[in-house]
Amino acid sequence: AQSVSQHNHHVILSEAASLELGCNYSYGGTVNLFWYVQYPGQHLQLLLKYFSGDPLVKGIKGFEAEFIKSKFSFNLRKPSVQWSDTAEYFCAVNAEYGNKLVFGAGTILRVKS
Amino acid sequence: NAGVTQTPKFRVLKTGQSMTLLCAQDMNHEYMYWYRQDPGMGLRLIHYSVGEGTTAKGEVPDGYNVSRLKKQNFLLGLESAAPSQTSVYFCASTPGGAGELFFGEGSRLTVL
Repeated sequence: AQSVSQHNHHVILSEAASLELGCNYSYGGTVNLFWYVQYPGQHLQLLLKYFSGDPLVKGIKGFEAEFIKSKFSFNLRKPSVQWSDTAEYFCAVNAEYGNKLVFGAGTILRVKS
Repeated sequence: NAGVTQTPKFRVLKTGQSMTLLCAQDMNHEYMYWYRQDPGMGLRLIHYSVGEGTTAKGEVPDGYNVSRLKKQNFLLGLESAAPSQTSVYFCASTPGGAGELFFGEGSRLTVL
């Protein structure tokens, strides 16, 4: 069965600091990869996704993620965080031709203004 | 454009009571899902459906039942609620199984 690991459960940063959230998955074949964000009191929204092609994917609000197949990783990055980035971030994986997403446990990011 | 709509948004139950959560989507998506979200555990899949009239078990199906009688609706039922089912429930849909999920706003259920 697929599994997804997110390295940090809580991250606290000051505004303008750089962000990197780790995500590793266990499936060895072709995968589709996602990062979702959940702002306080809201539902999950897609930040970015990787299906194929350039392993560096750019998403909304200045976020990007890099797929490193050899490391089974899909880390999320942002060069300079803002207070409005305070949210919970979820990595998710779907194996090729699979029909369900498997989510990581989530990382709660708090950005201090 | 409503997207994915869940009702009710909040509910408090007593142990042993039953209830049904309704998920409706207006995007003509084939696949629909029910997840529960608990602190530190992310989202865990309860049941899902790959089309009208079909359902399948996910990671944590015990204590729940589902039905997909119409393509646009996916119902999640609790026959005899337990405190362990206190959670936030999210419905999601997608046109095809390997793509992006579109989520509803969640239903917060408390079982006393």
